[in-house]
Amino acid sequence: EAQVTQNPRYLITVTGKKLTVTCSQNMNHEYMSWYRQDPGLGLRQIYYSMNVEVTDKGDVPEGYKVSRKEKRNFPLILESPSPNQTSLYFCASSLVFLGEAFFGQGTRLTVV
Amino acid sequence: GDSVTQMEGPVTLSEEAFLTINCTYTATGYPSLFWYVQYPGEGLQLLLKATKADDKGSNKGFEATYRKETTSFHLEKGSVQVSDSAVYFCALETDSWGKLQFGAGTQVVVTP
Repeated sequence: EAQVTQNPRYLITVTGKKLTVTCSQNMNHEYMSWYRQDPGLGLRQIYYSMNVEVTDKGDVPEGYKVSRKEKRNFPLILESPSPNQTSLYFCASSLVFLGEAFFGQGTRLTVV
Repeated sequence: GDSVTQMEGPVTLSEEAFLTINCTYTATGYPSLFWYVQYPGEGLQLLLKATKADDKGSNKGFEATYRKETTSFHLEKGSVQVSDSAVYFCALETDSWGKLQFGAGTQVVVTP
């Protein structure tokens, strides 16, 4: 089954404690990205990757890092989380030019 | 920059009512346009898309027509069901190869 898998689904952490949210896709897609979803703001892109070892900033990259060492994986790293990063996070992948993005089920992050 | 504006929700309807969700956009060039749907507790799924002016996307009884002259992509369904209760996002694919720009989302609640 074609899917994007994120883990964990829910995470509560404390300010400053490094964390990683994993994302994996099994569709051999080149393009992967991370979004955060906040009420009234829709989804905003954090980082994206066009292929292995190629990543770039989206609209709201501050406080986040990513890596793309393998085509299927695209982890999101928060080196020092802060309360304003409390949000719902989605990983997505797509075969560019076809326009359909496949989304993971989301990670609900709370930073206290 | 590119942007998408959606009507605010929540929109509350009775079963079998007609649904319209307005979406307008600002973009350079000729973007592809999408509607994504997010059911409770899930990630986003592509509902329909249109890639050029006057194209009509349709799926699951939903339709939307790409109107270049009014820069709009309104979503319609003739007879909604309780199972259509979800958050609907209008989006466009920008020139940034594969990046999706989302509207804020419109929550739709259908009551029996």
